Formats: sequence, structure tokens, C-alpha cells
Amino acid sequence: DIVMTQSPDSLAVSLGGRATINCKSSQSILSSSNNKNYLAWYQHKPGQPPNLLISWASTRESGVPDRFSGSGSGTDFTLTISSLQAEDVAVYYCQQYYGAPLTFGGGTKVEIK
Amino acid sequence: EVQLVESGGGLAQPGGSLRLTCAASGFPFSDYWMTWVRQAPGKGLEWVANIKDDASEKHYVDPVKGRFSISRDNSKNSLYLQMNSLRAEDTAVYYCARGFGWIWDFWGHGTLVTVSS
Repeated sequence: DIVMTQSPDSLAVSLGGRATINCKSSQSILSSSNNKNYLAWYQHKPGQPPNLLISWASTRESGVPDRFSGSGSGTDFTLTISSLQAEDVAVYYCQQYYGAPLTFGGGTKVEIK
Repeated sequence: EVQLVESGGGLAQPGGSLRLTCAASGFPFSDYWMTWVRQAPGKGLEWVANIKDDASEKHYVDPVKGRFSISRDNSKNSLYLQMNSLRAEDTAVYYCARGFGWIWDFWGHGTLVTVSS
């Protein structure tokens, strides 16, 4: 199974500040056939369902603010919130879809400092 | 409007069974992979199972293999999760989600399953 490890477990950022979340996979999730990384990022707020932010490691979903960006390749990935807003308080998860079983990182809780 | 509405959760005894249903509307259900993902109290997200659009392919996480069964009825726009031999560790909110491939782009609000005597 591919293990996804996120860091940090939590972080507090000032409004307007930058939040950086790291995600590492136990094996490469870059496909040699299409040169795509099989990684998604989700935002999960209390009492709401998870919300897909980014797929293919860096493709932002329609309607997702451009302050959210994803980067990385192979085994190391990053989600960046460039200017944190109050509505961004949530837990963020990475998830690989390279192969079954699909696996999530442990989550990173983002709060306002 | 895309909607996914889970039902069937509740209290079950250890060793008991429950059947979850996810009613879909607002999109061509038979064109999409579907999945169940759960979140135990105070824990992170855990993928449980998924099923291809035509039900020809199914996958499960190891802890539920042999106990849970995912299925769908495309004529009723419905996804199911039959859960047998329930354990305390199956206690969680269960979400259904639709997939563009294995990218889960829309989720329901979840149904709570509690396994306790």
C-alpha cells in the first residue's frame, strides 16, 4: 500500500499569511505513461463534506480560489495557500489515486494565528 | 443540481449488519465511478471501497474485505454499502462521493454509523 505522510499536523497562520502543507508518498505516484502525478488535495470543514481543491497534483478545480496552489512530483508534494482567509480554516488532506487501496494523508489542521 | 444523499446509518451491535444507501441526482449516475469514504470520530479520512460505472470493477480497503460489499443500481441512481460483521472500529461518518476516474469531485453530507452494544 502507498502510505501518504503529511506535515505538519497543524499550523497557525496570520490572516493574509502563507500556509504550506507537505505531503510525501511512500513510492512514486508519477505515471510514466502519461507523466501525471496521481495526487489530489481536499479541504474538509467541520459539519461539511470534503471539497476537492486540486487534482493531478497541481490542477485547481473550477471555482477554487487561485490563492490555493499545488506543486511537486514523484513522491513530494505541497499545497500552498498564498494569502490565508478566515474561510480557509479547515483540515486539508492529500490523497493518492495511483492505485488501490486509495490512501489519504493524516490531515493538516489550518487555523488563524 | 448535483446531489448525493446518504441514508441507512444508525446504531448497530457488534457482529450486526447495516446497509447504507446513497441516492444520486443531477448528473448521469451511470457514467461515474462511485466510492465510500469514512471518518471515525476524531480521526482522518479513510477510503473504504469504490465501484466502476458499470459495476465491473470493485476495490476495498483491507479491514473491510469479506465483510463489506459495494454495489449499485444504475436504474435507480443508487449506490449501496452492505456492512456485515460490524466492529466497534467501523464507527464513523460514511460519505459517498462520485468520481471522475478516481478523483472524487462531489461528496454527500454523510451518514453516521455507530457500532456499540
